[in-house]
Amino acid sequence: EVQLVESGGGLVQPGGSLRLSCAASGFTFSSSWMQWVRQAPGKGLVWVSRISSDDGSYAYYGDSVKGRFTISRDNAKNTVYLQMNSLRADDTAVYYCGRDKGPIPRERSDYWGQGTLVTVSS
Amino acid sequence: QAVVTQEPSLTVSPGGTVILTCGSSTGAVTSDHYPYWFQQKPGQAPRTLIYDTSDKHSWTPARFSGSLLGGKAALTLSGAQPEDEADYYCSLSYSGPRVFGGGTQLTVL
Repeated sequence: EVQLVESGGGLVQPGGSLRLSCAASGFTFSSSWMQWVRQAPGKGLVWVSRISSDDGSYAYYGDSVKGRFTISRDNAKNTVYLQMNSLRADDTAVYYCGRDKGPIPRERSDYWGQGTLVTVSS
Repeated sequence: QAVVTQEPSLTVSPGGTVILTCGSSTGAVTSDHYPYWFQQKPGQAPRTLIYDTSDKHSWTPARFSGSLLGGKAALTLSGAQPEDEADYYCSLSYSGPRVFGGGTQLTVL
């Protein structure tokens, strides 16, 4: 059974940092690109970041987080991370981890976690 | 960053057909944008229905189909069911990063 379990969310002050984790199981993690998307309360989905498979040498970011967020991965732990710095109130959202693509063509954006809530407030 | 546009809301009758569209501020949407379509119901994570313009996952009901239509990506729902009432999002790839549209709230009434 495929599972993606996000953790690390919580309350943080503006300007602070937080690291989200997403533990994966049930599929070939190292061969999969992974992604993060977020959703502010009552708002739409916003694409955040994606990282390439294997050594994670390619990473892409949405304009709203570029320069503040960093995505990384640890294939030994089957985990993808999102390091979030210089947090702002408008970063408040549920953050979802998902598989962006697997090693075969039909494995496209097929798995999602249940999300972790990040609240940026003083 | 490009802006992806969707209809804010649409209504379809049970059994009816509705087309949701997804446009790009950079011009016509093509297969090179690898359009995806997602369904999201309240309190749930998104669920991917369509990838790469028109490919379906095993869980995608046959009544949903994806295409390119008039310079936009399109999601067609034929034979709407009450359980199809949800928010629908498209996303487009821009040579690496992706961008979501603002979403379409679909009412089946």
